[in-house]
Amino acid sequence: DIVLTQSPDSLAVSLGERATVNCRSSQNVFYSATNKNYLAWYQQKAGQSPKLLVYWASTRESGVPDRFSGSGSGTDFTLTISSLQAEDVAVYYCLQHFAFPITFGQGTRLEIK
Amino acid sequence: EMQLAESGGGLVQPGESLRLSCAASGFVFSTYWMSWLRQAPGKGLEWVANMNQDGTKTNYVDSVKGRFTISRDNSKNSLYLQMNSLKVEDTAVYYCATQTPGYNILTGYWFSSWGQGTLVAVTS
Repeated sequence: DIVLTQSPDSLAVSLGERATVNCRSSQNVFYSATNKNYLAWYQQKAGQSPKLLVYWASTRESGVPDRFSGSGSGTDFTLTISSLQAEDVAVYYCLQHFAFPITFGQGTRLEIK
Repeated sequence: EMQLAESGGGLVQPGESLRLSCAASGFVFSTYWMSWLRQAPGKGLEWVANMNQDGTKTNYVDSVKGRFTISRDNSKNSLYLQMNSLKVEDTAVYYCATQTPGYNILTGYWFSSWGQGTLVAVTS
């Protein structure tokens, strides 16, 4: 199975500052035939189900604020929140859908400093 | 708007069975691959099983193979998860979710819409 390791496990950032979450895959999730990285990012707020933020590693889902951005390729990926808002407090998960079983990272808890 | 509503969770003892249901609305249910995922209390997310549009193809995570069965009834816009021989480690919130339209190497396989989940607690 592909293992996704996120860092850090938790993160405290001041309002308006940048937050960065990393995700490292145990295998390459880039498929050259499609030129795509099979990596997505989700946000899960307390008591809620996960919400899709980014797919294909860097494509923002419709309706997601543009302060959220994804980057990276191959085995190393990053989710960046450019200016943290109070409503961004959540746990963030990366997901790979390159190979079955589909797997998630362990999550990164983001709090306000 | 896509909506998914899980039901059927509850408190059971190890070895017992439970059947979860997921009612879909707001989209053409019969055109989507559907999945069950779970989240143990305070833990991360785990994909459990999925099924294709007409119910002829299924996939399971190794830890539930032989114990859980996914099924669907497109006439009722419903997805099901029959869980037998439940173990303490199956305790989790179970979510149903749609997978990407198309569900192929070009469209990807992520989970686009999720329900709110139903809690299954297995304890003696």
